[in-house]
Amino acid sequence: GENVEQHPSTLSVQEGDSAVIKCTYSDSASNYFPWYKQELGKGPQLIIDIRSNVGEKKDQRIAVTLNKTAKHFSLHITETQPEDSAVYFCALFKGGAGSYQLTFGKGTKLSVIP
Amino acid sequence: DSGVTQTPKHLITATGQRVTLRCSPRSGDLSVYWYQQSLDQGLQFLIQYYNGEERAKGNILERFSAQQFPDLHSELNLSSLELGDSALYFCASSVMSEAGELFFGEGSRLTVL
Repeated sequence: GENVEQHPSTLSVQEGDSAVIKCTYSDSASNYFPWYKQELGKGPQLIIDIRSNVGEKKDQRIAVTLNKTAKHFSLHITETQPEDSAVYFCALFKGGAGSYQLTFGKGTKLSVIP
Repeated sequence: DSGVTQTPKHLITATGQRVTLRCSPRSGDLSVYWYQQSLDQGLQFLIQYYNGEERAKGNILERFSAQQFPDLHSELNLSSLELGDSALYFCASSVMSEAGELFFGEGSRLTVL
């Protein structure tokens, strides 16, 4: 199946600094790339997504960039705050004919130090 | 609150036993997905149903089975449980008209002793 590599597995930043998480994939047919945030004791929640016809998307302090040629996409969080501390998962979509499967990276535990 | 309801939240059982996890999707969502989350394996896709039919299968063991009922709720059955089956099991739902957001429940934590 499709693999997605996510780095780093853990990331600590000072409050106010930026955080960057990167994912690489191999299947060029993938066309939808979401990022999910999982807080302790909760299920993952979508925070931003990007489709293959777009190179960058921004939502306030969060941005995602996609390089389809190099097959990698990244999550950028600026001006980090303590409430950004969570596990972040990249994912990619593969599907068709009614089948819709999201394959997740192994996650990045982000700690924002006040 | 995602609108996806999973029960039970916690379950402790012994090896060799069988359990059933239940999921009610968001109102209007036709597709249900099951994921297993363990510490070292991240979120592993198990199976997807759409309007009662199986549509995609991931790394689901033969000891595990699932179904989606006419009212769209889903059940994941885990049998002959082993210690390694201890994990968080998440259900998610989506409209699935196109690639888009999955809404996850809060999970069922299974502990096999």
